[in-house]
Amino acid sequence: TQLLEQSPQFLSIQEGENLTVYCNSSSVFSSLQWYRQEPGEGPVLLVTVVTGGEVKKLKRLTFQFGDARKDSSLHITAAQPGDTGLYLCAGDKKPNDYKLSFGAGTTVTVRA
Amino acid sequence: EAGVAQSPRYKIIEKRQSVAFWCNPISGHATLYWYQQILGQGPKLLIQFQNNGVVDDSQLPKDRFSAERLKGVDSTLKIQPAKLEDSAVYLCASSRSGLAGHEQFFGPGTRLTVL
Repeated sequence: TQLLEQSPQFLSIQEGENLTVYCNSSSVFSSLQWYRQEPGEGPVLLVTVVTGGEVKKLKRLTFQFGDARKDSSLHITAAQPGDTGLYLCAGDKKPNDYKLSFGAGTTVTVRA
Repeated sequence: EAGVAQSPRYKIIEKRQSVAFWCNPISGHATLYWYQQILGQGPKLLIQFQNNGVVDDSQLPKDRFSAERLKGVDSTLKIQPAKLEDSAVYLCASSRSGLAGHEQFFGPGTRLTVL
């Protein structure tokens, strides 16, 4: 059983469309991170959110941490083929014992 | 700055055989992690080292998996004997410390197939 549930599992959209992926848990996290992983590569950190209700923007990507620090979302505006990849969320439950629990990921495909 | 290096990139073995993976972390990074990523799942922490000491190996199947980080730099992860369910990508990551705020940098992984 995954501590973090991600949805949807797969998402295929046309270039220029918007998309949102979700990361949910019944547990409270000290911080939550989003990674993108491309085939044959390791995950690469996109953002870390630490404050309940926090919203961070990274160009066309918007990340939100839930008020209760149990869930998060990633929204991509005007998706491009370069956004294709596996998006993973990972949570850290203890601020002084930094261990990440990963969700199973959302595979995003952006068609040109 | 060079990233985390792993070798080999791919390995195919038969069940009951042994296999070893090697990781060279980013220079100066005290903390090293080994993760197992089974197809369709997120990475699962197997073991965490702080310098050359083990911080957490609670999810390492110790009857068949072993890992070491001699001299607090490179690390090896060994499986002996391998089972079919060990087929996965084994990711190594490193960070400056094991504290929050210090990003984990991942290597490209070793894809293991057990036949």
